[in-house]
Order: sequence, then structure tokens, then C-alpha cells
Amino acid sequence: EVKLVESGGGLVQPGGSLKLSCAPSGFSFSSYSMQWVRQTPGKGLVWVSRINTGGGTTRYADSVKGRFIISRDNAQNTLYLQMNSLRVDDTAVYYCAREEDSGPLVDYWGQGTLVTVSS
Amino acid sequence: QSVLTQPPSVSGPPGQRVRISCSGSSPNIGSNYVYWYQQLPGAAPKLLIFRNFQRPSGVSDRFSASKSGTSASLAISGLRYDDEADYYCATWDDSLSGVVFGGGTKVTVL
Repeated sequence: EVKLVESGGGLVQPGGSLKLSCAPSGFSFSSYSMQWVRQTPGKGLVWVSRINTGGGTTRYADSVKGRFIISRDNAQNTLYLQMNSLRVDDTAVYYCAREEDSGPLVDYWGQGTLVTVSS
Repeated sequence: QSVLTQPPSVSGPPGQRVRISCSGSSPNIGSNYVYWYQQLPGAAPKLLIFRNFQRPSGVSDRFSASKSGTSASLAISGLRYDDEADYYCATWDDSLSGVVFGGGTKVTVL
């Protein structure tokens, strides 16, 4: 069974940093591209970032470009999202998601981790 | 403002068929597969339809989808109370080099 478990969310002040992790299981992590998608409470889904299988190719939404860094450690079976210069409007539930075989849309989602940016 | 346009809500009585539209443009729906996700209250999204019209195993055949040009649609037949959820369309956008979602449609069973 495919499972994705996010961690690392919490309360952070504007301008602060936070690093999210995603622990996958039930599939060969190194064979799949991965993504982060966020959802402001009560609002819709917004794509954040994407990383390919080897970690050498990444993509970001304009709203986070230059502030967020997606990375992965295939040996440790973990996906990361380093979030810097956080803003109030970054407050959201962040979902880790696996891309479908041929990509680039996702087929499995984690349960999400809540990031709250507030003073 | 979402790149893909969906109606905010649709509703119908149990047993009825409802349809959710998703409108885009040439660099997104016009050039790429459309996916649909169901998000039940308090839960993470779940894949409902992939590559325009295909259903993952375990998804009821009451859900069907199609795509034509720069638009797509999701139909739910035999509406049930447990279909009450938010539904999102999504695709890749070649101009933005990223995934774009519709704003979501809340389905209410009357």
C-alpha cells in the first residue's frame, strides 16, 4: 500500500524558516518524481514544487521561487521542502504527493502537515 | 484566480446525474491530460480520474470524465450522499511549467 507521511509543520513567525519532510512507503521512492501541493484552510489546491527521480531537475510555482527548495534523499527515502522567508500567505496544509508513472500529475497524496505563519 | 475555471458548486438529489465543467486554454487542457481529484471533508485529495477519462482501480464507474479541446468535464451518476465533497480538475501548463488546478467544485446532495 502506498503511503506518504508528512512532518515538520508548525507555527513560525513571518520571515522565519521551516523544513518539511515526507516519508514514503509501499513503493520504490527513487523511481518516482515527487511534488508538494498546498491548501489554505477552506480554499483550493495550489501546486508548489516538483522534483524528478534523481533530484537534479526541480520546478517551482512563481509564488515560492527563490524562497523554497525541494530536495530528496533516495538513500534515506525522504522528500524535503525547505521553506525560507516565510510569509503570512504561506499558511496552508502542505501535501506531499507522488507523481503518476508517466507524470506530471499526482496519483497518491499524504495526509498533509499544517504550516502557520503568524506573529 | 485559478488558471482552470470550475463552477463553485453543483447540487442534486440522490440518484441524479450531475456534471462539473473545467475550462482552460491551449497551453494547459488543450495540450495535456486532465486529472480529477475528490476531496472528502477533512481528508486529503484522492485521485478520481487520470489521463482525461481513466479510472484508477477501486473508483466507482458512476464517475466518468471527458475532454474536448480546452475543456473537460466530470460526471457523477446515481448521486449518493457520500459523494458530497470538493472536486478539483488539474493539468500541466506548458507556459507556466507547472501544475495548475481548478478552483474546486463543491458537490451537495440535496
